Amino acid sequence: AQTVTQSQPEMSVQEAETVTLSCTYDTSESDYYLFWYKQPPSRQMILVIRQEAYKQQNATENRFSVNFQKAAKSFSLKISDSQLGDAAMYFCAYRDDKIIFGKGTRLHILP
Amino acid sequence: EAQVTQNPRYLITVTGKKLTVTCSQNMNHEYMSWYRQDPGLGLRQIYYSMNVEVTDKGDVPEGYKVSRKEKRNFPLILESPSPNQTSLYFCASSFSGRGQPQHFGDGTRLSIL
Repeated sequence: AQTVTQSQPEMSVQEAETVTLSCTYDTSESDYYLFWYKQPPSRQMILVIRQEAYKQQNATENRFSVNFQKAAKSFSLKISDSQLGDAAMYFCAYRDDKIIFGKGTRLHILP
Repeated sequence: EAQVTQNPRYLITVTGKKLTVTCSQNMNHEYMSWYRQDPGLGLRQIYYSMNVEVTDKGDVPEGYKVSRKEKRNFPLILESPSPNQTSLYFCASSFSGRGQPQHFGDGTRLSIL
């Protein structure tokens, strides 16, 4: 069965600094996608970034980028120039037909 | 406005009283799904539907039922709710490709006494 593991329940970063959130997964599938979602205190679920498993190139969206290591089944999220509005719970997610989420990492931004 | 609408947003009820949480989307999405979110456990998929009349179990289907009679609607049914089903529930939808991101509803806070 597919699994997704986020090993950091909580993290803190100073405003304007860079932080990396870890995610590992396990699957025997070859056709899958990986996502990071953000959940602010409003509890909305917001897409941050998406990675195609067949692509070697790491996805980037403005200040958000991923480090995708397919052989290691690792999919970390890097947030550059952290802002107060980045404070949220972050979930890593795996999708084939099913969708599996990690348990989340709560990110605090220190002013 | 493109959206996923869940109702009710909040519900307090008692053990054993059947309830339905409705979910509707206006984006013509094929894929719809229900999740529950519990502290420390993240989101766990309850059921998903890849198209009309096609539903499959997610990781935590016990105690829940779903139906997909129309493309836009995907209700979640608790036939005999129990306190361990107290949770925050999300409905989500997307186009059918695996690379499509989920669009989430605003969530339903369910308390079962």
